[in-house]
Amino acid sequence: EAQVTQNPRYLITVTGKKLTVTCSQNMNHEYMSWYRQDPGLGLRQIYYSMNVEVTDKGDVPEGYKVSRKEKRNFPLILESPSPNQTSLYFCASDPRGTGGSEAFFGQGTRLTVV
Amino acid sequence: AQRVTQPEKLLSVFKGAPVELKCNYSYSGSPELFWYVQYSRQRLQLLLRHISRESIKGFTADLNKGETSFHLKKPFAQEEDSAMYYCALSPSGGYQKVTFGTGTKLQVIP
Repeated sequence: EAQVTQNPRYLITVTGKKLTVTCSQNMNHEYMSWYRQDPGLGLRQIYYSMNVEVTDKGDVPEGYKVSRKEKRNFPLILESPSPNQTSLYFCASDPRGTGGSEAFFGQGTRLTVV
Repeated sequence: AQRVTQPEKLLSVFKGAPVELKCNYSYSGSPELFWYVQYSRQRLQLLLRHISRESIKGFTADLNKGETSFHLKKPFAQEEDSAMYYCALSPSGGYQKVTFGTGTKLQVIP
């Protein structure tokens, strides 16, 4: 079954404590991305990756890091989380550039930073 | 800079009535436009992209470059269409940044 898997689904942490949200896809897609969803602001892209070792900033990259060491994995790293990073986070993979038409989203990670 | 505007936060229509969800964009180059849907407690799903020219679940959208719009339409709304709808833009060419609108909640009244 084609899927994008994020972990954890829920996370409560304290300000400044480094955390990583994992994302894995099993469709061999080259393009992966991270979004945050906030009320009234919709989805905003944080980072995206066009392939292994190739990443670029989205609209709201401040305070986040990513890495793409393998095609299937695209973890989101918060080195020093702050309360304004409390949000719902989505990972997605997309076959764009390869002729495919369906993008897949993970189930979301609800992060609370206190 | 690329921008997507969805002017309506909430759109309420009666079952069987036509639906039009508005999306306007700003981008100087050649864009690729998408519509995504998020049903309650479900993942975001790609509904359609303009390059495919498909009709999914009775929805269609036409890219109007003159008006810089990509409105989503359906002739007869169904209760199961109630969801959050997002318009999104990416520069054409595949591997580019994606910008979403703020979303429109569609409520279909029985």
